[in-house]
Amino acid sequence: AQSVSQHNHHVILSEAASLELGCNYSYGGTVNLFWYVQYPGQHLQLLLKYFSGDPLVKGIKGFEAEFIKSKFSFNLRKPSVQWSDTAEYFCAVNEGARAGNMLTFGGGTRLMVKP
Amino acid sequence: ETGVTQSPTHLIKTRGQQVTLRCSSQSGHNTVSWYQQALGQGPQFIFQYYREEENGRGNFPPRFSGLQFPNYSSELNVNALELDDSALYLCASSPPGSGELFFGEGSRLTVL
Repeated sequence: AQSVSQHNHHVILSEAASLELGCNYSYGGTVNLFWYVQYPGQHLQLLLKYFSGDPLVKGIKGFEAEFIKSKFSFNLRKPSVQWSDTAEYFCAVNEGARAGNMLTFGGGTRLMVKP
Repeated sequence: ETGVTQSPTHLIKTRGQQVTLRCSSQSGHNTVSWYQQALGQGPQFIFQYYREEENGRGNFPPRFSGLQFPNYSSELNVNALELDDSALYLCASSPPGSGELFFGEGSRLTVL
């Protein structure tokens, strides 16, 4: 079965620091990759997605992620975080068209940005 | 605001009871998925409905069942509730041909 690992469970950064959150998945075939964010008291929102093409994907709010197929990774980055980035971040994987909309999520990384 | 609405937002049940959770999908979205998010964990896929039929299921027992209606709204039913069923239940809808999910705010179920 597909699994998704997010190795950092809690991250604390100061404003303007750079962010990189790790995500590794286990499926060896074609995958679609996602990062979702959940701000306090709000619903899950899509930050960015990768289906095919350029492995460096840009999303909303200055976030980007790089798909490295050889490493089964899809790490999330942001050059300079803001206090408003405080949230929980989830990496998710879909095993291509045959899986429909079934996403396998990682356990999440809780980010706290200190002002 | 995604346009996916869920009800109720919070509810408390006791072991052995049954619960029905409801979801209205975003306009134009014909696929609905349900996820369970236990405290401190990522969401886990329960099942998906398309054209009023279940067309994908995760590792959940048969006491978790669902329905999708002609207007694409959906229900999640859980029978014989257990303490471990306490979780946030998320509904997500997606438009035709899209792999992107739009989530509601969830229904938080507490089983005592």
